[in-house]
Amino acid sequence: DTGVSQDPRHKITKRGQNVTFRCDPISEHNRLYWYRQTLGQGPEFLTYFQNEAQLEKSRLLSDRFSAERPKGSFSTLEIQRTEQGDSAMYLCASSSFETQYFGPGTRLLVL
Amino acid sequence: QQPVQSPQAVILREGEDAVINCSSSKALYSVHWYRQKHGEAPVFLMILLKGGEQKGHEKISASFNEKKQQSSLYLTASQLSYSGTYFCGTERGGSFNDYKLSFGAGTTVTVRA
Repeated sequence: DTGVSQDPRHKITKRGQNVTFRCDPISEHNRLYWYRQTLGQGPEFLTYFQNEAQLEKSRLLSDRFSAERPKGSFSTLEIQRTEQGDSAMYLCASSSFETQYFGPGTRLLVL
Repeated sequence: QQPVQSPQAVILREGEDAVINCSSSKALYSVHWYRQKHGEAPVFLMILLKGGEQKGHEKISASFNEKKQQSSLYLTASQLSYSGTYFCGTERGGSFNDYKLSFGAGTTVTVRA
């Protein structure tokens, strides 16, 4: 039973660059979530998909953020024109019912 | 909307017990508990649905008081492996279709030999 995987695990970029993260959920899970976690805080909801449909986006998510889940399988999260405030751990989770299982996260550092 | 966890941190010796509390100002449908070790992903411990059912996971159990919108996580006879940061994630009542979770700031548990 493979869990949720995320790639890359670490990303260092310069302010103003675009970055893209990938999440591969547990294969039979139809829901996929993106969260952001900063130091000393709990995960903060960004957006979620049911199959390929993006059903909700957090108001905290600016227009620089976009997420896709083509064909209802893996998902990508893109951040355009990165800012230093985007530095955080980006977590992906998937579920089929209530329980969400998290991936290892992508740690982003914007210089 | 973010639940409030208390205490912020607790230090235990092996074999001691601890209680972590999670409270919300909103009506809840469910409470989810996770443990996260430094640099790792949050690991699911248990879920409690409204109805006040108490669940257990090894020597870790939890309860959910629907009337007070509070949940408590009980660490019994703590082991070194229990060290980490514990988060509660809450799902609002009425949101039956998305399971979107709001997480507390976490409680850091340190178990010493």
